[in-house]
Amino acid sequence: LAKTTQPISMDSYEGQEVNITCSHNNIATNDYITWYQQFPSQGPRFIIQGYKTKVTNEVASLFIPADRKSSTLSLPRVSLSDTAVYYCLVGDAQSGNTPLVFGKGTRLSVIA
Amino acid sequence: DAGVIQSPRHEVTEMGQEVTLRCKPISGHNSLFWYRQTMMRGLELLIYFNNNVPIDDSGMPEDRFSAKMPNASFSTLKIQPSEPRDSAVYFCASSFGLATPGEQFFGPGTRLTVL
Repeated sequence: LAKTTQPISMDSYEGQEVNITCSHNNIATNDYITWYQQFPSQGPRFIIQGYKTKVTNEVASLFIPADRKSSTLSLPRVSLSDTAVYYCLVGDAQSGNTPLVFGKGTRLSVIA
Repeated sequence: DAGVIQSPRHEVTEMGQEVTLRCKPISGHNSLFWYRQTMMRGLELLIYFNNNVPIDDSGMPEDRFSAKMPNASFSTLKIQPSEPRDSAVYFCASSFGLATPGEQFFGPGTRLTVL
């Protein structure tokens, strides 16, 4: 399994763009990059997933450079409700034999 | 869709008692995961099933923990006997497929307190 490294915590003011970078130097060819969000007292929730270049949905954007050894989750104009823990995961898309493994995540605190 | 359903939502028990946590995955999903989350250790994968068959239980902490999935719509995680260090939030998640690109859908969790 490709190991991921991400900052333990980040602070941001409301209305700012937040970028959380995840390192996954040992990512394999078949691996996808997935981000989850967890609010207090809730289970994690899928945010976005990508393989390369850029993916955007209504919640966030995911930037993946050509070498795929890192990825950046971008949250535009955060609000207080975006305060949560964000997990970066890397998983094999084809073998289907290994599940995603959650690390410690990045605790984002949005300040008014 | 009701999502992943877990019961009970909260459980308080005394050391030595048997605890059974229940999970109903999303209909049509063929993979089910049990996680445990604590402040110290974060989110840990305990065991996962694919098509009702346990695939990997290496995350189960001890023989006191056991999990079953008798059919596609029900799974249990049992702790016997329970100990105070088992206190945690236990999440059940389901997905279609084991890994990517299938996303995992998590239940609300069961907060277990062992006194």
